[in-house]
Amino acid sequence: GNSVTQMEGPVTLSEEAFLTINCTYTATGYPSLFWYVQYPGEGLQLLLKATKADDKGSNKGFEATYRKETTSFHLEKGSVQVSDSAVYFCALGFGNEKLTFGTGTRLTIIP
Amino acid sequence: DAGVIQSPRHEVTEMGQEVTLRCKPISGHNSLFWYRQTMMRGLELLIYFNNNVPIDDSGMPEDRFSAKMPNASFSTLKIQPSEPRDSAVYFCASSGQGLILSGNTIYFGEGSWLTVV
Repeated sequence: GNSVTQMEGPVTLSEEAFLTINCTYTATGYPSLFWYVQYPGEGLQLLLKATKADDKGSNKGFEATYRKETTSFHLEKGSVQVSDSAVYFCALGFGNEKLTFGTGTRLTIIP
Repeated sequence: DAGVIQSPRHEVTEMGQEVTLRCKPISGHNSLFWYRQTMMRGLELLIYFNNNVPIDDSGMPEDRFSAKMPNASFSTLKIQPSEPRDSAVYFCASSGQGLILSGNTIYFGEGSWLTVV
């Protein structure tokens, strides 16, 4: 079946540090890939997405590239801010089906 | 559009009581999803509907849980009787035309925070 494996958290970084949150997937075929973010007390919001191999999704300084050869979709940001503190979820989806989510990675940024 | 609207936002109830959670999807979306989030198990899909028809309810934990979608603009998730282990955040989400290969986005509501004591 389909599955998503995310970097275990929690992750704690200082402000302006470089961020990488690893995500790999297992799927039959070529899914669309997503990163969602959940701020404290809120629902999940789409952060970025990519629909085919070598696509790069980007938003709010975050980037992730769909790598078919390594079945990965790692999330990166060059300089994190305190406001980036949240839980980040990697997910995949096919056709007209549900999304499969990873377990989430809690990120805390220290001033 | 106001986004996916859920109610109640917070509910505290006693064990054995019936709980009904409500969801209004984004207008025009034809897929609706109910997720449950807990610290222990993370985010779990309970059930999803396409064009008001339940497509996959394999995530519904047991017969105490039921979900309905009587029309395109309303869905309910009911727990009867409720138990303390049902305490969680329940998210409703919707998408338009399902998740096609072009990557249609699922939009989440802000969740219903349920505590069963």
